[in-house]
Amino acid sequence: GQQVMQIPQYQHVQEGEDFTTYCNSSTTLSNIQWYKQRPGGHPVFLIQLVKSGEVKKQKRLTFQFGEAKKNSSLHITATQTTDVGTYFCAGGIRQLTFGSGTQLTVLP
Amino acid sequence: ETGVTQTPRHLVMGMTNKKSLKCEQHLGHNAMYWYKQSAKKPLELMFVYNFKEQTENNSVPSRFSPECPNSSHLFLHLHTLQPEDSALYLCASSQYGGRPNTGELFFGEGSRLTVL
Repeated sequence: GQQVMQIPQYQHVQEGEDFTTYCNSSTTLSNIQWYKQRPGGHPVFLIQLVKSGEVKKQKRLTFQFGEAKKNSSLHITATQTTDVGTYFCAGGIRQLTFGSGTQLTVLP
Repeated sequence: ETGVTQTPRHLVMGMTNKKSLKCEQHLGHNAMYWYKQSAKKPLELMFVYNFKEQTENNSVPSRFSPECPNSSHLFLHLHTLQPEDSALYLCASSQYGGRPNTGELFFGEGSRLTVL
């Protein structure tokens, strides 16, 4: 079955440093979505990418979808303590398969 | 306020109990989902309902029984669960379901289940 792998599992950064999480699929995806889950909270949708090579920005967050539509990345510039949480990618053909997530800790 | 409401937020039950989780969405969506979130595991899709019809059952044990009386309500009936079923159960809804582009998922706050 389809697998979506995400690395790293954990990332600790100093406030102000950049952060990147990577997502890789075993199959070509029709689209990729990104979610953020704050500690003790529920996943909240961030963005969806559909086109090959697509790049989208949301303030300090940059999302990319690979040319082959099998990988994606989320990059945060100059992290803040409010960025703390777990970031999940999710992709699929019929239904979404979630990656295992990257837990981001931002040290003040 | 997420637009998707789950009750109860916390539930402790014994292995012989019968309990139900409830989910209600106020977003006018057509699809509803149950996900299981265990520690250190990816979100696992359990069931999908599209226009009240079950379109996906990801090999979930029969001790979990879903019910979708209408597009706004979803239940998960629990019976003779095991301790390893302890997890956060998340309900979600989306505009579409069972298609290549489901659109974004709106999650409820989850029901934290502990099986003793």
